[in-house]
Amino acid sequence: NAGVTQTPKFQVLKTGQSMTLQCAQDMNHEYMSWYRQDPGMGLRLIHYSVGAGITDQGEVPNGYNVSRSTTEDFPLRLLSAAPSQTSVYFCASSRTGGPRDEQFFGPGTRLTVL
Amino acid sequence: SQQGEEDPQALSIQEGENATMNCSYKTSINNLQWYRQNSGRGLVHLILIRSNEREKHSGRLRVTLDTSKKSSSLLITASRAADTASYFCATDNAGNMLTFGGGTRLMVKP
Repeated sequence: NAGVTQTPKFQVLKTGQSMTLQCAQDMNHEYMSWYRQDPGMGLRLIHYSVGAGITDQGEVPNGYNVSRSTTEDFPLRLLSAAPSQTSVYFCASSRTGGPRDEQFFGPGTRLTVL
Repeated sequence: SQQGEEDPQALSIQEGENATMNCSYKTSINNLQWYRQNSGRGLVHLILIRSNEREKHSGRLRVTLDTSKKSSSLLITASRAADTASYFCATDNAGNMLTFGGGTRLMVKP
């Protein structure tokens, strides 16, 4: 199993540009989530999904959209990038217990917005 | 705001010593998890302790949970240079969200 994969690994955007961060898992996990991690800090939840077709907002959802059309994929869209969105983004997945289960994390996408 | 807060924020010890990190949280939880993050990498799950458990072991790791004090501790015994990383606690408080603390940065000097 590849586990949780994220692309791209690095990205530089200009203010106002849009882009999609890709996340995929091959473990048939129902629960998937996106976090952002700012320097020297913990993770903050952006959006999560408890299964295909179901998404919900986390702690810091503004400026981001998600969709979950399949069990495997959970892309994160930045609608109009801002310098405040410069961060490292992590995708995670877990079994049916959702946050009550062990989370499997991807390697992260390092995003810089100029 | 973060549910969990780790203490200390940074810890530096010599190889072979024990390292203790603490996590405090604010609301009732279903379980508490500890994760490790090596520099520039994703988080790796270490251990999960449920709200009805008081202590759990995994190899050189020992986790305790005191729900009356809303706190947990992670003990790493006989530390190694490879244990150098950031350690995070995460709590699940009956919703569908997992909330992480700010982390403890551990440096183990050879």
